[in-house]
Amino acid sequence: ETGVTQSPTHLIKTRGQQVTLRCSSQSGHNTVSWYQQALGQGPQFIFQYYREEENGRGNFPPRFSGLQFPNYSSELNVNALELDDSALYLCASSPGTGSTYEQYFGPGTRLTVT
Amino acid sequence: SQQGEEDPQALSIQEGENATMNCSYKTSINNLQWYRQNSGRGLVHLILIRSNEREKHSGRLRVTLDTSKKSSSLLITASRAADTASYFCATDPGAGNNRKLIWGLGTSLAVNP
Repeated sequence: ETGVTQSPTHLIKTRGQQVTLRCSSQSGHNTVSWYQQALGQGPQFIFQYYREEENGRGNFPPRFSGLQFPNYSSELNVNALELDDSALYLCASSPGTGSTYEQYFGPGTRLTVT
Repeated sequence: SQQGEEDPQALSIQEGENATMNCSYKTSINNLQWYRQNSGRGLVHLILIRSNEREKHSGRLRVTLDTSKKSSSLLITASRAADTASYFCATDPGAGNNRKLIWGLGTSLAVNP
């Protein structure tokens, strides 16, 4: 059974640029959630995807968008990057949308915006 | 916004000692979960306790939940150097929460050999 993977591991971008982060969910999981974790903080929920549709969103502006593909892998896109977007971005997959399903996290992508 | 507040922010103990960390939250919840994070990497789910449960065990972990005080504690018994990590609580506020778990700031645990 393959775990959750994320790519790239590290990324450096300039303010105003756009970035795409990728996540492969664990086999058999149809739900992917994305989180932003700033240094020294807890994760903040960005959004969740279930069967290729957005299924809940946190307090993030529309320049944060996502996709989920038929194989349940997912992308997080951030447009017009700002310095405050520098953070660890985590995705988590689960076999369902309810919070009682255990979420399996990937190792994260560390994004630095300069 | 952060709902959970872990206490203490940092904890340093010797191997073999017990470690207790606490989490307080503000709204009613469906369940509360504890996660571990090593060195700013991905999180690992430790245990979930539902709002109608008061105590739960998993190996060396013991979690309690007091919904009247809106607080939870995580006890790690007979700690090991490998337990060194940050520990987070996350709450599910229930219906209408837009699918999101709300996370605390975490407790940083250092277990010294």
